[in-house]
Amino acid sequence: EDKVVQSPLSLVVHEGDTVTLNCSYEVTNFRSLLWYKQEKKAPTFLFMLTSSGIEKKSGRLSSILDKKELFSILNITATQTGDSAVYLCAVKALIQGAQKLVFGQGTRLTINP
Amino acid sequence: NAGVTQTPKFQVLKTGQSMTLQCAQDMNHNSMYWYRQDPGMGLRLIYYSASEGTTDKGEVPNGYNVSRLNKREFSLRLESAAPSQTSVYFCASSEPLAGGYEQFFGPGTRLTVL
Repeated sequence: EDKVVQSPLSLVVHEGDTVTLNCSYEVTNFRSLLWYKQEKKAPTFLFMLTSSGIEKKSGRLSSILDKKELFSILNITATQTGDSAVYLCAVKALIQGAQKLVFGQGTRLTINP
Repeated sequence: NAGVTQTPKFQVLKTGQSMTLQCAQDMNHNSMYWYRQDPGMGLRLIYYSASEGTTDKGEVPNGYNVSRLNKREFSLRLESAAPSQTSVYFCASSEPLAGGYEQFFGPGTRLTVL
């Protein structure tokens, strides 16, 4: 059975700290791994990772994939209160021409001022 | 360009009632999806449609039916609502044939079944 596991489930830090969120997976027909940020309603796309060892970076956020060990991390440096959200990891498989995303439970990140 | 739209935004039903959640996208995407999100469960796929005229079950299809009315619209129907279907429902679309791997989500529908 395909599964994606995120850790920790909840994290509270102070503004300015650096955080690392983890995502491990067991999925057949792996195509890519995606990170989303969900604040109030719909998730918004952050990164898509398909190759091992290549870091994706956007401002203070960065992510890397290890396809041998089947995990990914999402780093956020110099955190701000606006980073408070649920971060979702999803792994994509292609089935009959349609993408199927298997989501993890999410990590709830709270940044205190 | 509205992206993915969903109606209604909120709904309260009594056990046994039926309703249809509507989803439409204006990005000319072939693939559309319905998810539900429950606390601590992440997003779970209910049904998806690879293209107009096709639908397939996801992880949690029981109690739901879907219709891909045309390329733009993908509706989700609850025939006899149950309290276990209280959740937030998200519709999404993507275009895998054009290499568009990301899914674009609607704003969600918060459904409460009493």
